[in-house]
Amino acid sequence: NAGVTQTPKFQVLKTGQSMTLQCAQDMNHEYMSWYRQDPGMGLRLIHYSVGAGITDQGEVPNGYNVSRSTTEDFPLRLLSAAPSQTSVYFCASSSDRNSGNTIYFGEGSWLTVV
Amino acid sequence: TQLLEQSPQFLSIQEGENLTVYCNSSSVFSSLQWYRQEPGEGPVLLVTVVTGGEVKKLKRLTFQFGDARKDSSLHITAAQPGDTGLYLCAGALSFGNEKLTFGTGTRLTIIP
Repeated sequence: NAGVTQTPKFQVLKTGQSMTLQCAQDMNHEYMSWYRQDPGMGLRLIHYSVGAGITDQGEVPNGYNVSRSTTEDFPLRLLSAAPSQTSVYFCASSSDRNSGNTIYFGEGSWLTVV
Repeated sequence: TQLLEQSPQFLSIQEGENLTVYCNSSSVFSSLQWYRQEPGEGPVLLVTVVTGGEVKKLKRLTFQFGDARKDSSLHITAAQPGDTGLYLCAGALSFGNEKLTFGTGTRLTIIP
């Protein structure tokens, strides 16, 4: 029962470096999203996708790119890492856009930008 | 601007006591969810409420959605150490959960 799998779990980047956080789900869910969690801020939506080939911006999209070439995968790319992007990143999925459906979160990716 | 305010931010009580956590907003939500998050893990959905005035119970946890769908509360009866964690409320402004707005969270510690 893999659910939502995120890699890597921990990453340290230097300012200006780029990297990709991977997210995969094995539940055939249409909807996937990325959040970042910062102390005292709750979770904030970065980007989301309602199906393969469709992505849209959330609340805090600047500095991040996403793509959804398959139903299973939804990678998050940091184009040029900045210290302000130090955070815990969570990927989530659910079966469709019905707000009554359960949203499943991954275990998180801890990113530090120095 | 934080759409969802949770209170209290921190709460530490003795095992066996009761507690209530609040989630308030000036916005109307089509649905509201409560999550619990433990250290090193992602949030786990506890409940979804969709109707104004709705009350849902999950063992010792009681969730209520305000009549105007702007606020919600979580009441825990006879708290146990296993209830320790970060409790998050999240609201959907429109039908469909692609844009959930999360509250700032209540960190609950139950002292044995």
